[in-house]
Amino acid sequence: NAGVTQTPKFRVLKTGQSMTLLCAQDMNHEYMYWYRQDPGMGLRLIHYSVGEGTTAKGEVPDGYNVSRLKKQNFLLGLESAAPSQTSVYFCASRKPGVRDEQYFGPGTRLTVT
Amino acid sequence: AQKVTQAQTEISVVEKEDVTLDCVYETRDTTYYLFWYKQPPSGELVFLIRRNSFDEQNEISGRYSWNFQKSTSSFNFTITASQVVDSAVYFCALSEFDNNDMRFGAGTRLTVKP
Repeated sequence: NAGVTQTPKFRVLKTGQSMTLLCAQDMNHEYMYWYRQDPGMGLRLIHYSVGEGTTAKGEVPDGYNVSRLKKQNFLLGLESAAPSQTSVYFCASRKPGVRDEQYFGPGTRLTVT
Repeated sequence: AQKVTQAQTEISVVEKEDVTLDCVYETRDTTYYLFWYKQPPSGELVFLIRRNSFDEQNEISGRYSWNFQKSTSSFNFTITASQVVDSAVYFCALSEFDNNDMRFGAGTRLTVKP
């Protein structure tokens, strides 16, 4: 049981390049989330999904797109990377219940030059 | 929109001291959830506690305790007899009714010196 995994762990992009971050969870959770964490700040929600085929915007969605084609995967895309998107990206999944916690992946450190 | 304020940016204590991390929140919902997460130097996020708005009971888990006061919109976290392994960034977070849009505070970096 790997929990939540993220691919890749590190990436350096040039301005204008595109890339996709992959989040996978093996806990059969319905809900999945993408956050970014910048220095001196807490995590900010980019997009989330409440089930396969559904996505919704979070607090800072601009410049990102997401897709949830399979229940276990949640993809975050950057179509044209900008230096302002340099950040650490965390994925999380959740199954409603008593604790109702979000389980976080290890993070992806992205640098845009 | 909801908001979480952690006014203490950094705290430094000596091992075995007690330390309290403050968290103040703003929300217009009557149903909401409060969380604390720990982020050690390794970078992962570790869930510590969830509290819903209808449960104001304080909670104790080993050396950790939480004080939830709706009257002051605060959800403070106390570590008793701190240890070096408690050194981390601690985040308080709030999500409203559907528990999807979670807002984090900026975090408090706790350093426990031996």
